[in-house]
Amino acid sequence: DTAVSQTPKYLVTQMGNDKSIKCEQNLGHDTMYWYKQDSKKFLKIMFSYNNKELIINETVPNRFSPKSPDKAHLNLHINSLELGDSAVYFCASSRKGALGYGYTFGSGTRLTVV
Amino acid sequence: AQSVSQHNHHVILSEAASLELGCNYSYGGTVNLFWYVQYPGQHLQLLLKYFSGDPLVKGIKGFEAEFIKSKFSFNLRKPSVQWSDTAEYFCAVNANTDKLIFGTGTRLQVFP
Repeated sequence: DTAVSQTPKYLVTQMGNDKSIKCEQNLGHDTMYWYKQDSKKFLKIMFSYNNKELIINETVPNRFSPKSPDKAHLNLHINSLELGDSAVYFCASSRKGALGYGYTFGSGTRLTVV
Repeated sequence: AQSVSQHNHHVILSEAASLELGCNYSYGGTVNLFWYVQYPGQHLQLLLKYFSGDPLVKGIKGFEAEFIKSKFSFNLRKPSVQWSDTAEYFCAVNANTDKLIFGTGTRLQVFP
């Protein structure tokens, strides 16, 4: 069983389009995250939700809007895509208060904006 | 602010060589420390973690890391690498917040 699943795995789209990436976890975790990995492999947190509530919002353009319909899902919607948005986006989950156990990551979504 | 430094950006080794990857963090309080591995084209997987107790922690696939509080370090080691260890390795730290801070990663290439 996949613990943290993301769809789609690959996404190629034109500048200016709007796209969404979905994430679901079946681990019973209450905290979910979006990380962006750039072409140099640097991982930077974008958002974190705990029980559907936004708790971390790093300096991310407001074209990016996360949505958490329930604690098992955290979707990422991106408006007006730009070339610089090309990256791999990873979803992750953890238990709040138990971050010593680390994150479980999804397999990533490779977004290419052309 | 918390930060993590990985000084080795790219390491090239022959099979059976010993490995040590450096990781230093900046935070004066209690920390949780992690090493993650990312095989080519795959997601990050947890290699090992430290949050209390014995500062020498053992992880999967023969990896280990030592937490040295006085040096703010958590170096990753393996006595004998294999070709299949070729991957990107990330050190990460958490210090009483809801997020992991990652280092910039070290690319390890192992040649047969």
